[in-house]
Amino acid sequence: GPKVLQIPSHQIIDMGQMVTLNCDPVSNHLYFYWYKQILGQQMEFLVNFYNGKVMEKSKLFKDQFSVERPDGSYFTLKIQPTALEDSAVYFCASSWGVGAETLYFGSGTRLTVL
Amino acid sequence: GDSVTQTEGQVALSEEDFLTIHCNYSASGYPALFWYVQYPGEGPQFLFRASRDKEKGSSRGFEATYNKETTSFHLQKASVQESDSAVYYCALGENTGYQNFYFGKGTSLTVIP
Repeated sequence: GPKVLQIPSHQIIDMGQMVTLNCDPVSNHLYFYWYKQILGQQMEFLVNFYNGKVMEKSKLFKDQFSVERPDGSYFTLKIQPTALEDSAVYFCASSWGVGAETLYFGSGTRLTVL
Repeated sequence: GDSVTQTEGQVALSEEDFLTIHCNYSASGYPALFWYVQYPGEGPQFLFRASRDKEKGSSRGFEATYNKETTSFHLQKASVQESDSAVYYCALGENTGYQNFYFGKGTSLTVIP
């Protein structure tokens, strides 16, 4: 099926540093998402993004988080500054977006904040 | 708001057992319903979907039927295999001008050979 690529697969950084997680969504998709999954727990919605704008965000999407997709390149999640509780696997997803279309997920970026 | 409830957090079965994972939803509109499967170390993979009442979705021997009356979309498989061990997520998708997507908490299936 359609592939969503996430780069890098693992990232280790010190608390307080900035990190950018990159996502290459399916080429003709219009909607983009980030989800957070702490080890052994359920996936939790962070944010969705359409037409250059955040459409909805959860309470987990703190002020230190931001998303963008400049000029159709990577869809990115930036955390600045990072905190220990940001350690998790972050999944990017995309969909065509017309009439509740199927979401396709990447394999995730495992972020470890020390 | 919209939500998805999966009753079972963990299920343990023997090979060739019958599987049912219960999924109920709450939505203001007429959503599409999905099942996803997640293997360790991977992202959720789309299994199948159904978009209207009484429609059956199916893939790889798994199936579920959209039931608007009981607001349910229960996952079933007649004979599970060890390779089916994974976490299964029921999800709901609504197009409310922009697309909203809600996942259940997931059900961890362990199949014992």
